[in-house]
Amino acid sequence: AQKVTQAQTEISVVEKEDVTLDCVYETRDTTYYLFWYKQPPSGELVFLIRRNSFDEQNEISGRYSWNFQKSTSSFNFTITASQVVDSAVYFCALSEDTGRRALTFGSGTRLQVQP
Amino acid sequence: DAGVIQSPRHEVTEMGQEVTLRCKPISGHDYLFWYRQTMMRGLELLIYFNNNVPIDDSGMPEDRFSAKMPNASFSTLKIQPSEPRDSAVYFCASSLLAGPGSTQYFGPGTRLTVL
Repeated sequence: AQKVTQAQTEISVVEKEDVTLDCVYETRDTTYYLFWYKQPPSGELVFLIRRNSFDEQNEISGRYSWNFQKSTSSFNFTITASQVVDSAVYFCALSEDTGRRALTFGSGTRLQVQP
Repeated sequence: DAGVIQSPRHEVTEMGQEVTLRCKPISGHDYLFWYRQTMMRGLELLIYFNNNVPIDDSGMPEDRFSAKMPNASFSTLKIQPSEPRDSAVYFCASSLLAGPGSTQYFGPGTRLTVL
């Protein structure tokens, strides 16, 4: 069965600090997809990134970067020079190639960026 | 383009009443998902549809819950009778028929409170 673990329940940083959110996953499929979503205080779920299991290249988008390592089953998310607007709950999710098409979500990491 | 639309955004009802949540997926998306978010269980899939047909309803908690998708642009999730433990945020999401791992885009959610 698939599983996503986000061990960090809550992280608090001061603005301009870098912060890394950890995500560890479990799956028996060789083909799978990993996602990060952001849930700001307003409550909606905002898609950030999708990565398939065959693409281990790290990705950078502005202040956001993602590090995918199959060897450790991790898909970590780093925010560089954090800003107050980054304050949100961040969810890592997994979708397998077979079986249910549903996303399996981690429990989320609440990030608070203090001014 | 409009995103996923959900209504109402907030619903407060009394135990025993019928509740109907509504969702309009992104035009052209063939998959529609209903998720529930609670503090205790996090984000969990209730049911999903492909081309208006329910594919997997194994996440529906009990017979009090039912979902329909009468056409490609509309879905409902009904709870009858409602109970206080149904209080949660209900999200609708949609995705394209583009193979496994297609990105799911979420609506703003409906916050349901059952008194």
